Amino acid sequence: DGGITQSPKYLFRKEGQNVTLSCEQNLNHDAMYWYRQDPGQGLRLIYYSQIVNDFQKGDIAEGYSVSREKKESFPLTVTSAQKNPTAFYLCASRNFGPGPSYNEQFFGPGTRLTVL
Amino acid sequence: GQQVMQIPQYQHVQEGEDFTTYCNSSTTLSNIQWYKQRPGGHPVFLIQLVKSGEVKKQKRLTFQFGEAKKNSSLHITATQTTDVGTYFCAGNTGKLIFGQGTTLQVKP
Repeated sequence: DGGITQSPKYLFRKEGQNVTLSCEQNLNHDAMYWYRQDPGQGLRLIYYSQIVNDFQKGDIAEGYSVSREKKESFPLTVTSAQKNPTAFYLCASRNFGPGPSYNEQFFGPGTRLTVL
Repeated sequence: GQQVMQIPQYQHVQEGEDFTTYCNSSTTLSNIQWYKQRPGGHPVFLIQLVKSGEVKKQKRLTFQFGEAKKNSSLHITATQTTDVGTYFCAGNTGKLIFGQGTTLQVKP
């Protein structure tokens, strides 16, 4: 059963602590993305990676870091430098190859992070 | 910077009424995608429009891409309670730029 998994679904952290959100995909997609969603707003791009060992900043990268050591995995670290980290975080992957799902972004179930 | 504006932000309709959400881009798009996010869920891809003036239908949903490839719309005919959720457009300019979404509520 192919897809994207994110864990945990809910995460609570104290202010000042770094926290890492996991994202794993078995769709064999090259590109992976991290978005942040706040109530009443669209999806804002944090970081993206189009190939292993390479990633690019999105529109709101400050206070976040990522790594892409394996094609299947794209973890996001929310650092203590992120001023307002409480949000819903969505990971996605995209297929650039031929086929019916060309260019479609597949989203994981998301992680709701609350910083106390 | 590049923006994709989506209106309205919220829409409440009676079951059976029609619903439309509109997207406008500040720049010409190579294509536009639409996603649906159910309450408490994650966005799910609905469709991609590529050609100028393209119209595609999925049962009660009709998607249009403007002639200038700067705007798009999603129209739902005779809404049902299963249509509840937030509908996002995402314009492709080399990267996907999401609109703010339109949240649809349907009263039975």
